Amino acid sequence: AQKITQTQPGMFVQEKEAVTLDCTYDTSDQSYGLFWYKQPSSGEMIFLIYQGSYDEQNATEGRYSLNFQKARKSANLVISASQLGDSAMYFCAMREAYFGKLIFGTGTRLQVFP
Amino acid sequence: DVKVTQSSRYLVKRTGEKVFLECVQDMDHENMFWYRQDPGLGLRLIYFSYDVKMKEKGDIPEGYSVSREKKERFSLILESASTNQTSMYLCASRGDRGPNTEAFFGQGTRLTVV
Repeated sequence: AQKITQTQPGMFVQEKEAVTLDCTYDTSDQSYGLFWYKQPSSGEMIFLIYQGSYDEQNATEGRYSLNFQKARKSANLVISASQLGDSAMYFCAMREAYFGKLIFGTGTRLQVFP
Repeated sequence: DVKVTQSSRYLVKRTGEKVFLECVQDMDHENMFWYRQDPGLGLRLIYFSYDVKMKEKGDIPEGYSVSREKKERFSLILESASTNQTSMYLCASRGDRGPNTEAFFGQGTRLTVV
């Protein structure tokens, strides 16, 4: 069965520092996609970044980058130069190739302090 | 602007009632999903649909059913609500326009069963 694991329930980081949020996944599919979402206290889900299983380059979107290590089945999110507004829950998700089923991890609560 | 709309933001129902949660998207998306979100458990997939009248069980379908009679609408039904179904319910939709197409979420329905 497919599974997403986020082992860090909570993380703290000082403003302007970089932080890595861990995500490992389990799938027997060859083709799949990995996503990261941010959920601020307002509750909305905000898409951050995507990595395809066949993409050779790590994805980047502004201050967000995805450290994709396929052999280790990990897809860690790196946030550079953290801002106070980055304080939120962060979810890693995986889309399977066949039906497009989308499953999520348990999330990591990031708190950025001044 | 893309939109996924859930019919209620807050709902209070009695044990044993039949409950309908409605979700409508205006993006002509093929795929729609229902999740429940609980602290420490992340987003857990209840059901998803990849086409009209098509549905697939997610990880926690027990006690729930779904209906998708029209492409834009995906309903979650609690046949006989129980207190352990008190949760935040999130609907999402996703198109088939490419592997990197992200899912869009509704604002969530906080259901309390008393």
